This record gives sequence, structure tokens and C-alpha cells, in this order.
Amino acid sequence: GIQVEQSPPDLILQEGANSTLRCNFSDSVNNLQWFHQNPWGQLINLFYIPSGTKQNGRLSATTVATERYSLLYISSSQTTDSGVYFCAVPPDTGRRALTFGSGTRLQVQP
Amino acid sequence: DGGITQSPKYLFRKEGQNVTLSCEQNLNHDAMYWYRQDPGQGLRLIYYSQIVNDFQKGDIAEGYSVSREKKESFPLTVTSAQKNPTAFYLCASVGQGRDYGYTFGSGTRLTVV
Repeated sequence: GIQVEQSPPDLILQEGANSTLRCNFSDSVNNLQWFHQNPWGQLINLFYIPSGTKQNGRLSATTVATERYSLLYISSSQTTDSGVYFCAVPPDTGRRALTFGSGTRLQVQP
Repeated sequence: DGGITQSPKYLFRKEGQNVTLSCEQNLNHDAMYWYRQDPGQGLRLIYYSQIVNDFQKGDIAEGYSVSREKKESFPLTVTSAQKNPTAFYLCASVGQGRDYGYTFGSGTRLTVV
């Protein structure tokens, strides 16, 4: 099945810093999503981005489908950005369920 | 407000017991999913359902069972056959077309005592 790798696994930032999280996937996909899991376990869908670039406030994401990677940019980080960021793709074309990467754990310090 | 409700938030199971985790959604979504998350890990798919009265096994279905008798409800039973059930369980639903996107419940943390 498709492999999803995220880097870095852990990231510590000072408040106000910028960061880039990367997601590599082993096969072509027609669906890629980024999620944020807060320290209490709640998962929030950030972006549905199979290709191109999207922005939502201080967050933006770019997927280069032909090169099989996606990037999540966080600018002017805040302590509320802390948590785990996951990217997820479909394992194959036969079902809509997603395969998740192992995540990037972000800690933003005041 | 529309959303997904999982209950209970915390659940303790004795060895050999079956327990059922509830997942209810009022988003009118057809597709629903159950995932398991172990500490420091990503999510792994247990079961999913694309439509009422139909469901499919995911990657780690052994020791689990589900039903989908109503569109709004997708309960997960953790049976005694699941040898290592301690984990965080997340339910999700997905809309179609312009409503596409995953919505997750707040999760159930299951511990074997």
C-alpha cells in the first residue's frame, strides 16, 4: 500500500517563528488532507489539497502531486498551534478512507 | 450545531469483556469511519461504512465489530478477541461533493484494567 512519511517528527519553536512541515507519499494520489490534533486529542481538518496551494490565515499548504510531496507552512506561530500535524492520503483508488502519516509533533513555546 | 458525538470519553474494560463505543453524527454524511491511535502514532483504520447496512474491514479489523443500522450511528464493539485494546479511538464522517471533508469526534480513550 501507499507509504506516507512526515518530517520532522518533532519540532520546537519560539512563539512568532515560522515553520515548514513536509509530507512525502509513495504513489500518485487524488486526495491529500492535513489535520491538526490538539493536546486533548481533537482532530481538525486544515486543508483538502490534492494539488496546488491554499491559504487559511497564518497557515498555507502546497501539494506538488507530480513529485509526491506536500508542505504545510505555519507563519508567526502561536502557542495554540501546538499539537500534532498529520497528512493523510487514500491508500488506493478503491476506497475513500485515508492512510495517515505518523505526524509531526509541534511545540510552540512562549 | 452539526457534528459528531463520541461516548464515553473514557472507558475501562476488564479482561475478557466486550465493550461498545458510540459514534453519532447529525451532519447527514453517508460515510463513517473508525480509527485507532496508539501513543505517538498515526491513525489506523479499523472499519468504515459508505452507506447504511454496509461496512468494510479496514487495516486492523481483527477483534472489532461494527454495525450501521442508521445513517446517524456507527457503533464499534471491542471484543475479547482484541488482545491489546488500550488505545484512543476516533470516529469520523465524510460529506460528499462541496461538503467533502473529514469531521472527527472528540474520541474515546479505552483502557484495559
